[in-house]
Amino acid sequence: EAGVTQSPTHLIKTRGQQATLRCSPISGHTSVYWYQQALGLGLQFLLWYDEGEERNRGNFPPRFSGRQFPNYSSELNVNALELEDSALYLCASSLRTSGYNEQFFGPGTRLTVL
Amino acid sequence: ILNVEQSPQSLHVQEGDSTNFTCSFPSSNFYALHWYRWETAKSPEALFVMTLNGDEKKKGRISATLNTKEGYSYLYIKGSQPEDSATYLCAFISGATNKLIFGTGTLLAVQP
Repeated sequence: EAGVTQSPTHLIKTRGQQATLRCSPISGHTSVYWYQQALGLGLQFLLWYDEGEERNRGNFPPRFSGRQFPNYSSELNVNALELEDSALYLCASSLRTSGYNEQFFGPGTRLTVL
Repeated sequence: ILNVEQSPQSLHVQEGDSTNFTCSFPSSNFYALHWYRWETAKSPEALFVMTLNGDEKKKGRISATLNTKEGYSYLYIKGSQPEDSATYLCAFISGATNKLIFGTGTLLAVQP
């Protein structure tokens, strides 16, 4: 069974540009989560999607947005990039919408903003 | 603001040593507590999901306990091996939000 996949592995952008990160969940998983790990910080919850709807978001500005497609894959968009957006972005998926279910993480996308 | 704290920040042990880490979380509105292992250059991997006060879970040499009334969980590793070297993360869920609030982790280094 294929795990969670993310693309691209690395992304380099300049300030003010937009970045798009992609995630494909494990087959059968309907919930997708996005996390950010900035340098020196822990994993911070960004967004949670389930059945195509945004269910919850963390304390991030509206520049961070995303969507979930009918096949449950997801996209994270970061507009008007700032230097502090440089981070590792992890996507995770879980079976159904329950905090009792473990989340399965992808390998991440490392975003560098110059 | 919900805060999850882990201690120690890092730990260096010899192969064969047993070790334990602590995760502290708010005791109110508890829903679930997750433990993950994150090896360098890999993805975080779930170890346990704990939901009930007094829960004890075990996977091989690794076990965990949960006290929701006082807001802490312990992770134990018996007879540490070099392959146990990783960052161990706990994450708390408050209410039925599915929003994992992670601690900053305990970095374990096991020397042969």
